[in-house]
Amino acid sequence: GENVEQHPSTLSVQEGDSAVIKCTYSDSASNYFPWYKQELGKRPQLIIDIRSNVGEKKDQRIAVTLNKTAKHFSLHITETQPEDSAVYFCAATTRYTGGGNKLTFGTGTQLKVEL
Amino acid sequence: GAVVSQHPSWVICKSGTSVKIECRSLDFQATTMFWYRQFPKQSLMLMATSNEGSKATYEQGVEKDKFLINHASLTLSTLTVTSAHPEDSSFYICSAPDSTRNTIYFGEGSWLTVV
Repeated sequence: GENVEQHPSTLSVQEGDSAVIKCTYSDSASNYFPWYKQELGKRPQLIIDIRSNVGEKKDQRIAVTLNKTAKHFSLHITETQPEDSAVYFCAATTRYTGGGNKLTFGTGTQLKVEL
Repeated sequence: GAVVSQHPSWVICKSGTSVKIECRSLDFQATTMFWYRQFPKQSLMLMATSNEGSKATYEQGVEKDKFLINHASLTLSTLTVTSAHPEDSSFYICSAPDSTRNTIYFGEGSWLTVV
């Protein structure tokens, strides 16, 4: 099955700096890679996603890059703000195949944005 | 508003008793739903895939006789933790893919505390 690794486990940045979180996956059949932000005790909130036919996607301060050959994908947050502080999870899945949408999550990154 | 609703949000039960958690898709039909468990400061781990009208598919290491899953309709899946023990205390969360909206929705999650 799919295995997703995520680094770093904790990340502390100064407000206004950029933050980068990296993930690798093992199943070459995975073709959908969402990123979630989760606050304590709450459901994961989708912040951005990318499909395997795209190498990069950007939404305001958030961007995701995907390297299918290396099976790497990364989350980039620019101009970080205190409200960006949360736990971030990457995930991978084969989408809309039989049994699809079974998400395999990375181990999570605790991002702290300091004033 | 919530597209996937999960109840209860919080539940405390005594060791040895059973607890049922419900996951409902409110405005779409979900032939498949997924149940995850998240221990404090850890990632979401898939427990099982709930299939409408058929048996659930359990991940390796998850006891199917302990975690009973029923998906009797296209909008409702239930997870019953039987003979609960303190080590079952965790955050349980469901998800359901909506093929029409091309989106995966999460329930609000349920905190289970076994005393």
